[in-house]
Order: sequence, then structure tokens, then C-alpha cells
Amino acid sequence: DAGITQSPRHKVTETGTPVTLRCHQTENHRYMYWYRQDPGHGLRLIHYSYGVKDTDKGEVSDGYSVSRSKTEDFLLTLESATSSQTSVYFCAINGEQSYEQYFGPGTRLTVT
Amino acid sequence: GIQVEQSPPDLILQEGANSTLRCNFSDSVNNLQWFHQNPWGQLINLFYIPSGTKQNGRLSATTVATERYSLLYISSSQTTDSGVYFCAVEYYGGSQGNLIFGKGTKLSVKP
Repeated sequence: DAGITQSPRHKVTETGTPVTLRCHQTENHRYMYWYRQDPGHGLRLIHYSYGVKDTDKGEVSDGYSVSRSKTEDFLLTLESATSSQTSVYFCAINGEQSYEQYFGPGTRLTVT
Repeated sequence: GIQVEQSPPDLILQEGANSTLRCNFSDSVNNLQWFHQNPWGQLINLFYIPSGTKQNGRLSATTVATERYSLLYISSSQTTDSGVYFCAVEYYGGSQGNLIFGKGTKLSVKP
């Protein structure tokens, strides 16, 4: 199993509060990704990183920001959570020489 | 943008039966992967298969890139094969690893 952990695994928060989700990898892989999964939509890319301090937007980036200050950590921040951001969030990684993408266990976020 | 369509959306099988899942995509791709999401939500990479055929135990996959489709074969299905199968593609010229997912095929294998 690829060494990917996500924290927290479950979170309930109120509308308007900031939330940060963490993805941690032990594989020293260059590429890291954040997806959200919603019923009827499959998985959609939020942001991705191609190295320390190198990030870019994905398909559904509005309302989200990311940071990567170390190879092993990729943070996803909801500056002011909304109910539409209730979802399951997955982190994924792949190496520079390998195209297979491996996923973390997911974080279930509920915004009330 | 590129469209990824999977069929059928739902599939119910009796244990031991074989099945074929299909993924159609609307543009050239340089990366295609199949994933299985088990009933506990974990996503598992099954195949990286931008073209050609691969086999892994009871599962095999074929991608015909020129005709823009991929097939996932499951033989002698088991209850542990239940879950959702996703096809994901990276379109030609896209950023590495930026996968576009289909909506999945939900497979239920009955004992």
C-alpha cells in the first residue's frame, strides 16, 4: 500500500468556519492531488501540486486553497466553509516516473 | 473538455459470472486508469492502461486508443468484487496526472 494518510478522517463544521485538511505521504513522490467525490459527479480535481511550493488549479477550485511547504505534506483549506462543500475529499499521489495514481483513505466533511 | 462515459451504470451479477465494463472517451488520451472503490470507500488502482491489454488475476483490461474506448473484464466474479469501478483519463496535452473520472459502474455480486 502506498503510504498516504489523511487527517482528520471525519469532520463536522459550521458554515463560515475555516477548515484545513491534511494529506501526508511517505513515498517522496513529486505529484500530489486533491479530489472531491459527490454523488452523481464521480471524482473531480480541486488542486494539484507538482513540487514544493508549486501548485495549480483543477476543475473545481473555487472556494479552496492549497499549500505545500514540504514534499510529504499537501494541505487543502476551505477559508469559509459552505454547505456545498460537504463532500468526501481524497488525496492522491503519483511519482515522476510512474503514472499510476494512488489514493488516501478519504476525509468525510460535513458543513452544517 | 474531454468526456468520459461508463456503461452500464449499474450491474448485478451472481457469484461466478463474468462481466465487461466499458469506458468511452471523447478525445485522445495519454493516460487511462481503472480504479475500484470498495464498499468502505477505499479507492484502489487496478490498471494503468493507455493502450493495449493487461491482466491481473481474474481481472483484465484492454484499451483501444484509436477508437477511444477501454474495457475492464471481470471473470468468475466474487462478492469481494462488489463496489464501484471508475475509469479515469488524462487527455493528451493535459498536465500530468490531472485525471478526469467517469461516473462509475456500480457492481453488486450476489452469493
